[in-house]
Amino acid sequence: DSGVTQTPKHLITATGQRVTLRCSPRSGDLSVYWYQQSLDQGLQFLIQYYNGEERAKGNILERFSAQQFPDLHSELNLSSLELGDSALYFCASSLSPGRGGTQYFGPGTRLLVL
Amino acid sequence: DQQVKQNSPSLSVQEGRISILNCDYTNSMFDYFLWYKKYPAEGPTFLISISSIKDKNEDGRFTVFLNKSAKHLSLHIVPSQPGDSAVYFCAALEGDGGATNKLIFGTGTLLAVQP
Repeated sequence: DSGVTQTPKHLITATGQRVTLRCSPRSGDLSVYWYQQSLDQGLQFLIQYYNGEERAKGNILERFSAQQFPDLHSELNLSSLELGDSALYFCASSLSPGRGGTQYFGPGTRLLVL
Repeated sequence: DQQVKQNSPSLSVQEGRISILNCDYTNSMFDYFLWYKKYPAEGPTFLISISSIKDKNEDGRFTVFLNKSAKHLSLHIVPSQPGDSAVYFCAALEGDGGATNKLIFGTGTLLAVQP
């Protein structure tokens, strides 16, 4: 158990809908990261937050947004969902945001868009 | 363009033997690398890391070797155990040295350790 929790574990929804994925980092970790794992793209970095501020962005679609709250939990919002958004979404957290700050991953949320 | 490559999608070894998983990268600015193990229906689990100031790092049965001139790293597992069967991801840390960093992952290698 990495100490990172993600809810829900599974999510099934329809195209055009909006969903929210939630992540609670390990106790004491200030940085939160979101990754997407799809069959054809592998594990792709989406976005990083550090102590409530956005720090780095990957190939995150404009339909996707995220935030980190004062209690350090984070939410990833996916809107206008398309079939291609079906994937595993992982959250990770780290104590140190810089080099050497090992990222610990949660169990993921499996999203299926029908 | 894939900056971190794991060219072997799968590897099968006998229990007790050495497993060698390979990884290549293209960006010479990468200076910190990690290996993660992933079981089905679970998140990636951190295994071992190496900084570019070293060429080897050991942790129990796991050793990572880094060849900077070849832009190549490898993970050695000795001896291999059936419980090591999983997908192994190589990752490079890309960041500004401060509060910004992200992991660039390879596509993974499925290791099967046969009893």
